[in-house]
Amino acid sequence: DAGVTQSPTHLIKTRGQQVTLRCSPKSGHDTVSWYQQALGQGPQFIFQYYEEEERQRGNFPDRFSGHQFPNYSSELNVNALLLGDSALYLCASTIGGHTGELFFGEGSRLTVL
Amino acid sequence: AQSVTQLDSQVPVFEEAPVELRCNYSSSVSVYLFWYVQYPNQGLQLLLKYLSGSTLVKGINGFEAEFNKSQTSFHLRKPSVHISDTAEYFCAVSQTSTPNDMRFGAGTRLTVKP
Repeated sequence: DAGVTQSPTHLIKTRGQQVTLRCSPKSGHDTVSWYQQALGQGPQFIFQYYEEEERQRGNFPDRFSGHQFPNYSSELNVNALLLGDSALYLCASTIGGHTGELFFGEGSRLTVL
Repeated sequence: AQSVTQLDSQVPVFEEAPVELRCNYSSSVSVYLFWYVQYPNQGLQLLLKYLSGSTLVKGINGFEAEFNKSQTSFHLRKPSVHISDTAEYFCAVSQTSTPNDMRFGAGTRLTVKP
């Protein structure tokens, strides 16, 4: 049983560019959340997708957008990259409406130069 | 919205010593509480969770935590640590009305020395 998988694992971009990160949830899960983890910090909630719609959103600008596909996989898009967007981006999945455990992927490490 | 404060950014301990990692939360409504562990270059793994019932929660790898509603705390403890427990530990909280909207603390770096 595959867990949460994310791609790419590492990538380097320059300021002003756009990036797309991808996530496949754990088998049987239908809800995907995205978190940004800056170096030495805890994960910060970006948004959550359920039934192909953004259900909740944290305090992130509109440059951060996402999508969920019918197979429950998800993408995170960041436009007009800033140096401060450099971070580990974590995807987590769960079953909608269930309490408790989020299953995390190993993340995509984005470096913006 | 709910929030979490982890009171110690770093905790160094010797092997086989007991350890406590402190966590306080803030929320105006009922919450669920969690502890996650992150090893280098990996994602987060659930250690334990409090949803309801007994305030003493046991998790994996010999860890336990106690929910104290009056003090809004959820401290993590282990009676005897191993070198392999060296990692970053995160406390997290969600509201019962939005259980999957989980907010994390800044983390506590536990370093176990021989």
